[in-house]
Amino acid sequence: GNSVTQMEGPVTLSEEAFLTINCTYTATGYPSLFWYVQYPGEGLQLLLKATKADDKGSNKGFEATYRKETTSFHLEKGSVQVSDSAVYFCALGVNTGNQFYFGTGTSLTVIP
Amino acid sequence: NAGVTQTPKFQVLKTGQSMTLQCAQDMNHEYMSWYRQDPGMGLRLIHYSVGAGITDQGEVPNGYNVSRSTTEDFPLRLLSAAPSQTSVYFCASSKQGGTEAFFGQGTRLTVV
Repeated sequence: GNSVTQMEGPVTLSEEAFLTINCTYTATGYPSLFWYVQYPGEGLQLLLKATKADDKGSNKGFEATYRKETTSFHLEKGSVQVSDSAVYFCALGVNTGNQFYFGTGTSLTVIP
Repeated sequence: NAGVTQTPKFQVLKTGQSMTLQCAQDMNHEYMSWYRQDPGMGLRLIHYSVGAGITDQGEVPNGYNVSRSTTEDFPLRLLSAAPSQTSVYFCASSKQGGTEAFFGQGTRLTVV
Protein backbone atom coordinates (compact mmCIF):
# COMPACT_ATOMS: atom_id res chain seq x y z
CA GLY A 1 0.00 0.00 0.00
CA ASN A 2 0.86 3.67 0.19
CA SER A 3 1.98 5.38 3.36
CA VAL A 4 4.29 8.07 4.72
CA THR A 5 6.26 8.03 7.94
CA GLN A 6 7.86 11.20 9.15
CA MET A 7 9.87 12.25 12.11
CA GLU A 8 7.95 12.88 15.27
CA GLY A 9 8.08 16.31 16.80
CA PRO A 10 8.03 18.77 18.18
CA VAL A 11 11.38 20.12 17.07
CA THR A 12 12.86 23.24 18.66
CA LEU A 13 15.90 24.91 17.12
CA SER A 14 17.80 28.10 17.59
CA GLU A 15 17.86 30.59 14.75
CA GLU A 16 20.49 29.75 12.10
CA ALA A 17 20.62 26.09 13.12
CA PHE A 18 20.54 23.27 10.57
CA LEU A 19 17.23 21.51 10.07
CA THR A 20 16.51 17.95 9.01
CA ILE A 21 13.07 16.39 9.09
CA ASN A 22 13.09 12.75 8.07
CA CYS A 23 10.46 11.26 5.80
CA THR A 24 10.22 7.75 4.40
CA TYR A 25 7.50 6.26 2.28
CA THR A 26 6.06 3.06 0.88
CA ALA A 27 4.27 3.20 -2.41
CA THR A 28 2.89 1.13 -5.25
CA GLY A 29 3.85 2.50 -8.61
CA TYR A 30 5.78 5.72 -9.10
CA PRO A 31 4.65 8.43 -6.71
CA SER A 32 5.38 12.12 -6.61
CA LEU A 33 6.65 13.42 -3.28
CA PHE A 34 5.81 16.68 -1.56
CA TRP A 35 6.52 18.77 1.48
CA TYR A 36 3.71 20.99 2.65
CA VAL A 37 3.93 23.67 5.34
CA GLN A 38 1.13 24.83 7.62
CA TYR A 39 1.48 28.13 9.46
CA PRO A 40 -0.70 28.68 12.55
CA GLY A 41 -4.36 29.06 11.70
CA GLU A 42 -3.82 28.50 8.00
CA GLY A 43 -4.25 25.77 5.41
CA LEU A 44 -1.46 23.71 3.90
CA GLN A 45 0.82 25.31 1.34
CA LEU A 46 3.08 23.46 -1.03
CA LEU A 47 6.71 24.00 -0.02
CA LEU A 48 8.45 21.83 -2.61
CA LYS A 49 7.98 18.72 -4.68
CA ALA A 50 9.80 16.06 -6.69
CA THR A 51 8.16 13.92 -9.32
CA LYS A 52 10.76 11.23 -10.03
CA ALA A 53 13.76 9.51 -8.50
CA ASP A 54 16.85 11.70 -7.92
CA ASP A 55 14.88 14.91 -8.43
CA LYS A 56 15.65 17.63 -5.93
CA GLY A 57 12.89 19.99 -4.89
CA SER A 58 13.84 23.35 -3.44
CA ASN A 59 12.14 26.51 -2.24
CA LYS A 60 12.85 29.28 0.29
CA GLY A 61 16.15 27.62 1.27
CA PHE A 62 14.53 24.24 1.90
CA GLU A 63 15.61 21.19 -0.09
CA ALA A 64 14.60 17.55 -0.39
CA THR A 65 15.87 14.82 -2.72
CA TYR A 66 13.72 11.95 -3.94
CA ARG A 67 15.75 8.84 -3.01
CA LYS A 68 14.19 5.74 -4.48
CA GLU A 69 16.87 3.41 -3.12
CA THR A 70 16.14 4.43 0.47
CA THR A 71 12.49 5.41 -0.13
CA SER A 72 13.15 8.73 1.53
CA PHE A 73 12.46 12.43 1.00
CA HIS A 74 14.13 14.19 3.92
CA LEU A 75 13.62 17.94 4.29
CA GLU A 76 16.68 20.10 5.00
CA LYS A 77 17.49 23.74 5.52
CA GLY A 78 20.93 25.09 6.29
CA SER A 79 19.93 28.03 8.47
CA VAL A 80 16.43 28.29 9.91
CA GLN A 81 14.69 31.52 10.79
CA VAL A 82 12.01 32.34 13.33
CA SER A 83 9.59 32.72 10.42
CA ASP A 84 10.08 29.02 9.55
CA SER A 85 8.17 28.03 12.68
CA ALA A 86 5.29 25.91 11.38
CA VAL A 87 4.10 22.34 10.96
CA TYR A 88 5.67 20.43 8.07
CA PHE A 89 3.95 17.54 6.31
CA CYS A 90 5.54 15.00 4.02
CA ALA A 91 3.17 13.57 1.42
CA LEU A 92 3.08 11.32 -1.57
CA GLY A 93 0.74 11.49 -4.53
CA VAL A 94 -0.17 8.62 -6.78
CA ASN A 95 -1.53 8.92 -10.27
CA THR A 96 -4.23 6.34 -9.82
CA GLY A 97 -7.22 8.22 -8.44
CA ASN A 98 -4.98 11.20 -7.78
CA GLN A 99 -4.85 10.35 -4.09
CA PHE A 100 -2.49 11.87 -1.57
CA TYR A 101 -1.10 10.30 1.56
CA PHE A 102 0.22 12.47 4.38
CA GLY A 103 2.56 11.94 7.26
CA THR A 104 1.51 12.99 10.75
CA GLY A 105 3.30 16.31 10.57
CA THR A 106 6.32 17.70 12.41
CA SER A 107 5.99 20.88 14.42
CA LEU A 108 9.02 23.17 14.21
CA THR A 109 9.66 26.06 16.56
CA VAL A 110 12.62 28.33 15.92
CA ILE A 111 13.72 30.51 18.82
CA PRO A 112 15.75 33.70 18.45
CA ASN B 1 -6.84 34.25 -7.47
CA ALA B 2 -9.41 32.67 -5.17
CA GLY B 3 -8.08 29.10 -5.41
CA VAL B 4 -9.95 26.83 -2.98
CA THR B 5 -12.52 28.54 -0.79
CA GLN B 6 -14.05 26.92 2.27
CA THR B 7 -16.92 28.18 4.38
CA PRO B 8 -17.48 28.59 7.24
CA LYS B 9 -14.12 29.05 8.99
CA PHE B 10 -15.49 28.14 12.39
CA GLN B 11 -18.59 26.24 13.50
CA VAL B 12 -19.98 24.90 16.75
CA LEU B 13 -22.66 22.22 16.55
CA LYS B 14 -24.67 20.34 19.09
CA THR B 15 -24.66 16.57 18.98
CA GLY B 16 -27.21 15.35 16.46
CA GLN B 17 -27.34 18.54 14.41
CA SER B 18 -26.61 18.49 10.71
CA MET B 19 -24.63 20.89 8.60
CA THR B 20 -22.84 21.28 5.30
CA LEU B 21 -19.27 22.44 4.87
CA GLN B 22 -18.87 24.23 1.58
CA CYS B 23 -15.89 23.98 -0.77
CA ALA B 24 -15.44 25.69 -4.12
CA GLN B 25 -12.49 25.92 -6.48
CA ASP B 26 -12.01 28.11 -9.52
CA MET B 27 -9.03 26.33 -11.11
CA ASN B 28 -11.06 23.84 -13.17
CA HIS B 29 -9.46 20.96 -11.30
CA GLU B 30 -10.91 17.52 -11.87
CA TYR B 31 -10.00 16.11 -8.49
CA MET B 32 -11.38 17.32 -5.15
CA SER B 33 -11.14 15.83 -1.71
CA TRP B 34 -11.96 16.33 1.94
CA TYR B 35 -9.55 15.66 4.81
CA ARG B 36 -9.81 15.92 8.52
CA GLN B 37 -6.83 16.93 10.63
CA ASP B 38 -6.52 15.66 14.17
CA PRO B 39 -3.58 16.05 16.57
CA GLY B 40 -0.92 13.40 16.02
CA MET B 41 -2.74 11.85 13.08
CA GLY B 42 -1.91 14.10 10.17
CA LEU B 43 -4.51 14.46 7.47
CA ARG B 44 -6.91 11.63 6.82
CA LEU B 45 -8.93 11.38 3.63
CA ILE B 46 -12.69 11.38 4.13
CA HIS B 47 -14.11 11.40 0.59
CA TYR B 48 -12.83 12.32 -2.82
CA SER B 49 -14.10 12.95 -6.33
CA VAL B 50 -12.37 12.54 -9.68
CA GLY B 51 -14.97 14.57 -11.55
CA ALA B 52 -18.54 15.81 -11.57
CA GLY B 53 -20.94 13.03 -10.66
CA ILE B 54 -18.22 10.73 -9.32
CA THR B 55 -17.37 10.33 -5.64
CA ASP B 56 -15.67 7.68 -3.58
CA GLN B 57 -14.80 6.93 0.02
CA GLY B 58 -11.46 7.59 1.59
CA GLU B 59 -9.96 6.32 4.83
CA VAL B 60 -12.56 7.70 7.29
CA PRO B 61 -15.92 8.15 5.48
CA ASN B 62 -18.37 7.16 8.21
CA GLY B 63 -20.72 9.93 9.26
CA TYR B 64 -20.06 12.05 6.18
CA ASN B 65 -21.75 12.40 2.79
CA VAL B 66 -20.58 14.17 -0.34
CA SER B 67 -21.84 14.97 -3.81
CA ARG B 68 -20.23 16.56 -6.85
CA SER B 69 -22.83 18.11 -9.13
CA THR B 70 -20.41 20.60 -10.70
CA THR B 71 -16.67 20.71 -11.28
CA GLU B 72 -16.35 23.71 -8.97
CA ASP B 73 -18.20 22.58 -5.84
CA PHE B 74 -17.72 19.69 -3.44
CA PRO B 75 -19.79 20.06 -0.24
CA LEU B 76 -19.32 17.80 2.79
CA ARG B 77 -22.42 16.95 4.79
CA LEU B 78 -22.61 15.84 8.40
CA LEU B 79 -26.05 14.30 8.85
CA SER B 80 -25.95 13.83 12.62
CA ALA B 81 -22.92 15.40 14.25
CA ALA B 82 -21.02 13.53 16.96
CA PRO B 83 -18.29 14.78 19.32
CA SER B 84 -15.84 12.47 17.52
CA GLN B 85 -16.25 14.70 14.46
CA THR B 86 -14.67 17.63 16.26
CA SER B 87 -11.74 18.39 13.99
CA VAL B 88 -10.29 20.75 11.43
CA TYR B 89 -11.55 19.99 7.93
CA PHE B 90 -9.65 20.80 4.77
CA CYS B 91 -10.83 20.72 1.20
CA ALA B 92 -8.29 20.26 -1.56
CA SER B 93 -8.25 20.19 -5.34
CA SER B 94 -5.76 19.05 -7.94
CA LYS B 95 -5.45 18.22 -11.58
CA GLN B 96 -5.31 14.62 -12.69
CA GLY B 97 -1.85 13.08 -12.75
CA GLY B 98 -0.59 13.26 -9.18
CA THR B 99 0.42 16.91 -9.23
CA GLU B 100 0.23 18.96 -6.08
CA ALA B 101 -2.98 19.53 -4.19
CA PHE B 102 -4.21 23.03 -3.39
CA PHE B 103 -5.83 23.46 0.01
CA GLY B 104 -8.49 25.70 1.43
CA GLN B 105 -8.00 27.58 4.69
CA GLY B 106 -9.86 24.98 6.71
CA THR B 107 -13.01 24.78 8.83
CA ARG B 108 -12.63 24.31 12.55
CA LEU B 109 -15.63 22.31 13.74
CA THR B 110 -16.52 21.69 17.35
CA VAL B 111 -19.33 19.31 18.28
CA VAL B 112 -20.56 19.62 21.85
